[in-house]
Formats: sequence, structure tokens, C-alpha cells
Amino acid sequence: QVQLVQSGAEVKKPGASVKVSCKASGYTFTGYYMHWVRQAPGQGLEWMGWINPNSGGTNYAQKFQGRVTMTRDTSISTAYMELSRLRSDDTAVYYCARADSSGYFQPVGYWGQGTLVTVSS
Amino acid sequence: DIQMTQSPSSLSASVGDRVTITCRASQGISNYLAWYQQKPGKVPKLLIYAASTLQSGVPSRFSGSGSGTDFTLTISSLQPEDVATYYCQKYNSAFGPGTKVDIK
Repeated sequence: QVQLVQSGAEVKKPGASVKVSCKASGYTFTGYYMHWVRQAPGQGLEWMGWINPNSGGTNYAQKFQGRVTMTRDTSISTAYMELSRLRSDDTAVYYCARADSSGYFQPVGYWGQGTLVTVSS
Repeated sequence: DIQMTQSPSSLSASVGDRVTITCRASQGISNYLAWYQQKPGKVPKLLIYAASTLQSGVPSRFSGSGSGTDFTLTISSLQPEDVATYYCQKYNSAFGPGTKVDIK
């Protein structure tokens, strides 16, 4: 079965960077787009962007361009999301989320357990 | 980026009521729209994709419609287990702000 296992909670100071990992199993890693979505405490879902694990191509939401980098390591079926120049309003649970089917335009069907990133001085 | 809006932001209805949530895209998105349900403390769950196709295992009381810029999610007979926040999303893009559904 499809599993997405994310790295553990992080506490960072303002201005620092954080890198969250997402290890995939139960399917062909390169066959499905991987998205990153965050959710601030008590708030809604915010889409950050996607990575095509096959090509490494990425597309980021305009809000995060210049601050986010999504990468992958196909040898260990793991996707990464790095967010730089952290601010207090970046405090959120960060999810990796796999497309439900292969192909470019697909909804999200599978979610990681989430990684809480806390930004505090 | 395309913007998604939803209305209402919250609603309270009785068990058995018909509930309708609307979602609007800032520009036409054909039928590239999904609906998700998120219960408190849980990850979101895909309910409907391609605007009107029910995901496998989702109860038939859920339905979706629309195309272009205007979409709806309908729960034909609200059940206690449907208490959740519902989000629309244009594929590969923004989520709507969510609609919180409670039981009256």
C-alpha cells in the first residue's frame, strides 16, 4: 500500500531554513507527482507546489517562489521540501501529498502524516 | 495564480438535511476540480475529482457538479460523521479557504 513517511518535528529560529523529507513506499516513486501542502494552526490548506519525481521538474506557488526548493532522491524514493528565510507565520504542519493517479493533472490522493515546523525566537 | 473562493465559510445543519457548498475559481478551470474532507486532527481525504466523479469508497450521499468557474459539493442527507471542513482545489494549484460543517 502507498505510504508517505515524513521526517520529525522541527523548531527553527526566524531567518533559518528547514528541510522536510518524505519517504515513499508501496508504489513506483517516479510515476506520480508529489505535492507539498501546509496548514497553519487552525487555518486552511495552502498548496506550495509540486515536483515531478521522474524529471525533477518543479512548479511553485507564486507566494513561495524564491524561498522554497523541492528536490528528490530517486535512489531512496524520497522527496524533500526546503523553505528558507523562515518567519513566524511559516509555523505550520507541512504535508507531502502524492497525486492520486499518474499524469500531470491529477488530484491529491495520498498524504503523509505531516511535519510540524515551529518558527520561534 | 488562480484564486479559489468558497461559500459559506461555515454552516450548521440538522441530521438528514441537504447541504450545499459552492466553490468559485477566478478563471475557467474546465473540470479540473477536486473536493476534500478534513476531519479534526486528520489528514484530508479525497472525496470527488474531475468536479463530479466520486472517489472509490466515498458514500453516495456526496455529489459534485459544475464546470468552468462555478462548482458545488452536495451532501444529500447530512450524517454525524460528515462533521468536517471541506475544501475545493483546482488540480496542481490553490485550495479554497474551506467550509466548516457542523451538526445543529
